[in-house]
Amino acid sequence: NAGVTQTPKFRVLKTGQSMTLLCAQDMNHEYMYWYRQDPGMGLRLIHYSVGEGTTAKGEVPDGYNVSRLKKQNFLLGLESAAPSQTSVYFCASSARTGSNQPQHFGDGTRLSIL
Amino acid sequence: AQTVTQSQPEMSVQEAETVTLSCTYDTSENNYYLFWYKQPPSRQMILVIRQEAYKQQNATENRFSVNFQKAAKSFSLKISDSQLGDTAMYFCAFMMSPNDYKLSFGAGTTVTVRA
Repeated sequence: NAGVTQTPKFRVLKTGQSMTLLCAQDMNHEYMYWYRQDPGMGLRLIHYSVGEGTTAKGEVPDGYNVSRLKKQNFLLGLESAAPSQTSVYFCASSARTGSNQPQHFGDGTRLSIL
Repeated sequence: AQTVTQSQPEMSVQEAETVTLSCTYDTSENNYYLFWYKQPPSRQMILVIRQEAYKQQNATENRFSVNFQKAAKSFSLKISDSQLGDTAMYFCAFMMSPNDYKLSFGAGTTVTVRA
């Protein structure tokens, strides 16, 4: 039962470097999401996808890009990392909207930008 | 954006006792969903309980129950018979309607259960 798997779990970057966070789900879910979690602020939605080949902006999209080339994968990219992007990043997926199909979360990626 | 407020940053409770976490939200919508998520030290986000706004009956899941006051826009979580494994951060979350994909989270309440 893998569920939602995030890769990597930890990463340290220097300012200006780029990287991609990978999210993979094996539940055949249509919807996928990327959140960031900062102290005292809960989780905030960065980008989301309602299906293969589609993406949309969430609450805090600036500085990030995403791609959903395959249904099971949702990639989050940082083109030029900044210290303000130091955070814990969570990926989630759901079968459909509504309370009957809750979002399932990965274990998070701790990202530090020096 | 919807606003979700959790006014208690930290709470401590003795094992086997009851603790209540508060959550208020701001919306002009009539149809929405509310959730409580638990995040233990392992960092995993776990759905605890959910409530549909159109249901007057408060949701219950084993030792977890909510007090949903729609007019007051309040959604508190009660943990009964607290166990050490309940130690975690608890997040209140709001989803505007069945067709809205986005969850809005509160800042969280850290609950510590003492032995």
